[in-house]
Amino acid sequence: SQQGEEDPQALSIQEGENATMNCSYKTSINNLQWYRQNSGRGLVHLILIRSNEREKHSGRLRVTLDTSKKSSSLLITASRAADTASYFCAPGSGNTPLVFGKGTRLSVIA
Amino acid sequence: DAGITQSPRYKITETGRQVTLMCHQTWSHSYMFWYRQDLGHGLRLIYYSAAADITDKGEVPDGYVVSRSKTENFPLTLESATRSQTSVYFCASSPGLAGSETQYFGPGTRLLVL
Repeated sequence: SQQGEEDPQALSIQEGENATMNCSYKTSINNLQWYRQNSGRGLVHLILIRSNEREKHSGRLRVTLDTSKKSSSLLITASRAADTASYFCAPGSGNTPLVFGKGTRLSVIA
Repeated sequence: DAGITQSPRYKITETGRQVTLMCHQTWSHSYMFWYRQDLGHGLRLIYYSAAADITDKGEVPDGYVVSRSKTENFPLTLESATRSQTSVYFCASSPGLAGSETQYFGPGTRLLVL
């Protein structure tokens, strides 16, 4: 699999605001996943969107996928201090292990 | 409890010593992975395994050895630890690659090589 590139590298917002982070990749995919990592802990899977899907929701999370632009976005609505973490995207090709990038570090200030 | 566990959680060792990090999962997932995470590098894949007795190299395999005699265990051995192997090590498991690539991560092992 290929590595996704998250943008921005770091994001700081106030509690209650929305947070948007983006992911770009280079070649065709079967799916794309987003993970969260709280400081000092393992990654936690948030959501998987398949290549034939354009948008997916899970609670306060909204993920979009644009395969023509080879990009995805993760929107966290009404952010909370507990959302402070690093967020990683992982494009999946279906036959090789996922490759994780450096992530986006989100800070939500109370 | 079901899940994926790693031991030890913290380890201090000296250069040249052999160290084994353990990983155990209770889901009978086919795939298991070892990553290291360093500042500025994100997560890098060391080795992975598709099934018992099947292992393959990742991005940074040098200095590491893995084995998988049982589906549920995937130990990682540093044969002769070096300071550059100071890192946080994460184990993960997955039901499979094709269409089921969600990975489930352990809590990590913090290794310091003096």
